[in-house]
Amino acid sequence: GQQVMQIPQYQHVQEGEDFTTYCNSSTTLSNIQWYKQRPGGHPVFLIQLVKSGEVKKQKRLTFQFGEAKKNSSLHITATQTTDVGTYFCAGRDAGNNRKLIWGLGTSLAVNP
Amino acid sequence: DGGITQSPKYLFRKEGQNVTLSCEQNLNHDAMYWYRQDPGQGLRLIYYSQIVNDFQKGDIAEGYSVSREKKESFPLTVTSAQKNPTAFYLCASRSGSQPQHFGDGTRLSIL
Repeated sequence: GQQVMQIPQYQHVQEGEDFTTYCNSSTTLSNIQWYKQRPGGHPVFLIQLVKSGEVKKQKRLTFQFGEAKKNSSLHITATQTTDVGTYFCAGRDAGNNRKLIWGLGTSLAVNP
Repeated sequence: DGGITQSPKYLFRKEGQNVTLSCEQNLNHDAMYWYRQDPGQGLRLIYYSQIVNDFQKGDIAEGYSVSREKKESFPLTVTSAQKNPTAFYLCASRSGSQPQHFGDGTRLSIL
């Protein structure tokens, strides 16, 4: 079936270090979305990527969508304690736009 | 304020009991979704609805039921057939190709 694999599952960094999470889909995606869930909270939408090879930045966060529209990454430069949480990617299948296919998330812990 | 309201925030279920989780949105969104999240896990789709009076099963619909009689409301019933209901339940809605907006969730536990 359709899958979006997300790695790593957990990442522990020292404050100031960089962090990257990767998503790979078994099928071509029409778009991919990224969400952040703080401990005890609900997922909050960060960004949506639509175009092949697209790169978007939000302050210290850089999001990329692969040329084949099957993979994506989120990179955080110089992590801060406020970055703590679980980051999810969710892809919308190019052939079935009604459902999002969610990755299992990457939980980020940041040591001050 | 526009948004999605889930209630209650915490819910306890006795053995053999059905419980209903409420989800209301005033965003005028057509589509609504119910997800289940287990500790340290991702989101799994239970049911979704694209329009009023229509809904489809997601990946883990067994033991759950929904209704969509009004655009604003998409209640989820966790039936006694769901043998492992303890989880965090999230309701979401969206309009067109926009991203999903989530409610604050309901934590369900077994007594």
